[in-house]
Amino acid sequence: QSALTQPASVSGSPGQSITISCTGTSSDVGGYNYVSWYQHHPGKAPKLMIYEVSNRPSGVSNRFSASKSGNTASLTISGLQTDDEADYYCSSYTSSSTYVFGTGTKVTVL
Amino acid sequence: QMQLQESGPGLVKPSETLSLTCTVSGGSIISSSYYWGWVRQPPGKGLEWIGSIYYTGSTYYNPSLKSRVTISVDTSKIQFSLRLTSVTAADTAVYYCARRASGSGTPLGAFDIWGQGTMVTVSS
Repeated sequence: QSALTQPASVSGSPGQSITISCTGTSSDVGGYNYVSWYQHHPGKAPKLMIYEVSNRPSGVSNRFSASKSGNTASLTISGLQTDDEADYYCSSYTSSSTYVFGTGTKVTVL
Repeated sequence: QMQLQESGPGLVKPSETLSLTCTVSGGSIISSSYYWGWVRQPPGKGLEWIGSIYYTGSTYYNPSLKSRVTISVDTSKIQFSLRLTSVTAADTAVYYCARRASGSGTPLGAFDIWGQGTMVTVSS
């Protein structure tokens, strides 16, 4: 199975909004609503930010939102803050009953 | 508050077997709502799903690793384990254990609790 495709890096100034894309196929992202997003600060455990395409777990800021269209899912961070600087990964269930992660996106706050 | 903690050797020789254990605390591994699994991150690379196990023993593996991977569960010890055979330098990575939600009322399909990760280096 191939990793989902994400941009290697995205940057923005504090207060701005950025969007990270996650492109798969009809056998994963496009075929199921089990897309999740993770924030990963180096040296720490990944943190679940979004599940089932667009749902936020309790405690996650509403500055994080997500959606899906066809084979591409997207994560938007609004009101960018310095703490948001991290790596972000998408993940999807697949038609083979397995899971696949995205290639990862490094978010830089300028 | 449930927590997961990985343990095992930090150095494994090429061609040998990598063995890691994840100990679950603050809750039961016997649950119809969750799978238990492993994810790894090689240095400078992204996350890679290795596989998952249900408390009954049902397993799902990454096709690219399936021939070398075994995940098992010990419900009495509240642990689950990873074995990866015939390792090479390409298996050098931080290995995370994680809980994956699969039941009603949970974040379906998401890895909602993670261990802190353990670095495993494959080198002679």
